[in-house]
Amino acid sequence: EPEVTQTPSHQVTQMGQEVILRCVPISNHLYFYWYRQILGQKVEFLVSFYNNEISEKSEIFDDQFSVERPDGSNFTLKIRSTKLEDSAMYFCASSPTSGGIETQYFGPGTRLLVL
Amino acid sequence: KQEVTQIPAALSVPEGENLVLNCSFTDSAIYNLQWFRQDPGKGLTSLLLIQSSQREQTSGRLNASLDKSSGRSTLYIAASQPGDSATYLCAVIASGSRLTFGEGTQLTVNP
Repeated sequence: EPEVTQTPSHQVTQMGQEVILRCVPISNHLYFYWYRQILGQKVEFLVSFYNNEISEKSEIFDDQFSVERPDGSNFTLKIRSTKLEDSAMYFCASSPTSGGIETQYFGPGTRLLVL
Repeated sequence: KQEVTQIPAALSVPEGENLVLNCSFTDSAIYNLQWFRQDPGKGLTSLLLIQSSQREQTSGRLNASLDKSSGRSTLYIAASQPGDSATYLCAVIASGSRLTFGEGTQLTVNP
């Protein structure tokens, strides 16, 4: 069964450094998402992406964050200058059509630790 | 702003018991509601999706109901097994495509 994959599974970085989290959505899906979960807290929506542009973003998704689909398979989340509070599990998800109609399928996550 | 609440926060039951997990949401104008399972340190696995026009969905030993007007959903797990031990998350889409999650119910099924 097709799955969403994410790399790396764990990343440790120094405050102020840039990080890029990578995701390979399910191949025939058109909508892509990033969520994050700070330890002990709820899963929070960051951004959705469709047709090579952001379709929706949350208040968390400020200028430090960006997303890109650099080729036909990868979907990336870049954090330009990491802060301690960016430490979280970051989940990528995809859906075949708009997530308002279809299930969103989640990847296993990247655990980011900012020191 | 949509808020999702799950009760109880944690539940411990003996194997074989039937159980109910509860989810409530503040804005009844939702497109759909999803139940997920999360194992420790792992991703989210979708269990059931209920469209706003539906009342319930079933998958194996799982049954999810939706009462949109009262802002409530329940997940019923029949004949629980130790392998069902996980955190169960409820999430709704009220507009666009963003899922709004509850805090989850941590379920432990004891052999």
